[in-house]
Amino acid sequence: GAVVSQHPSRVICKSGTSVKIECRSLDFQATTMFWYRQFPKQSLMLMATSNEGSKATYEQGVEKDKFLINHASLTLSTLTVTSAHPEDSSFYICSPRLWGTNEKLFFGSGTQLSVL
Amino acid sequence: AQTVTQSQPEMSVQEAETVTLSCTYDTSESDYYLFWYKQPPSRQMILVIRQEAYKQQNATENRFSVNFQKAAKSFSLKISDSQLGDAAMYFCACFQGGSEKLVFGKGTKLTVNP
Repeated sequence: GAVVSQHPSRVICKSGTSVKIECRSLDFQATTMFWYRQFPKQSLMLMATSNEGSKATYEQGVEKDKFLINHASLTLSTLTVTSAHPEDSSFYICSPRLWGTNEKLFFGSGTQLSVL
Repeated sequence: AQTVTQSQPEMSVQEAETVTLSCTYDTSESDYYLFWYKQPPSRQMILVIRQEAYKQQNATENRFSVNFQKAAKSFSLKISDSQLGDAAMYFCACFQGGSEKLVFGKGTKLTVNP
């Protein structure tokens, strides 16, 4: 099956700093990347959808200037949390989608962000 | 709007017994897919089973099977011969082909008792 590499798995940072999370699809080309956020004991909430070479589409209530998404290649997408604050502390998960395969939705292993 | 409802926040089952997790959904599209994902303490999302809406036959994967009732918009997961390793959060999800979004239910925490 497809392999998705997401790192770092855990990051602790000071308030006001920026954090970059990488998501790589290792054995297939992801034309679309979904980014989710999961707060403790809650479900996954879609933050944004990005297509390779295009600007990301953000869900309502998600600040596009705070959560910068770059999908420059078919195998790499990054999520940068800018000027992080404690309320941004959460579990972030990427999910690359192989074009034309609606049923193949894989997930990265997630990144736990803790902002002090 | 697309919604997924899991009405059981927690369930428990004895090892080797059978348990059914409930899920209902609502979508305006005819092209959609349904999934059950397992999230163990590691928090890695693991695909358990998927169902294409256009298929009438219920999907089966070893000890896992679904009861897909399209008219009722119901998609329950049955786990047979439950094992200790089945203990996890289980999320029901619906992917719409048109909006291309995967929406999750709130999850059901499954405990397997030895």
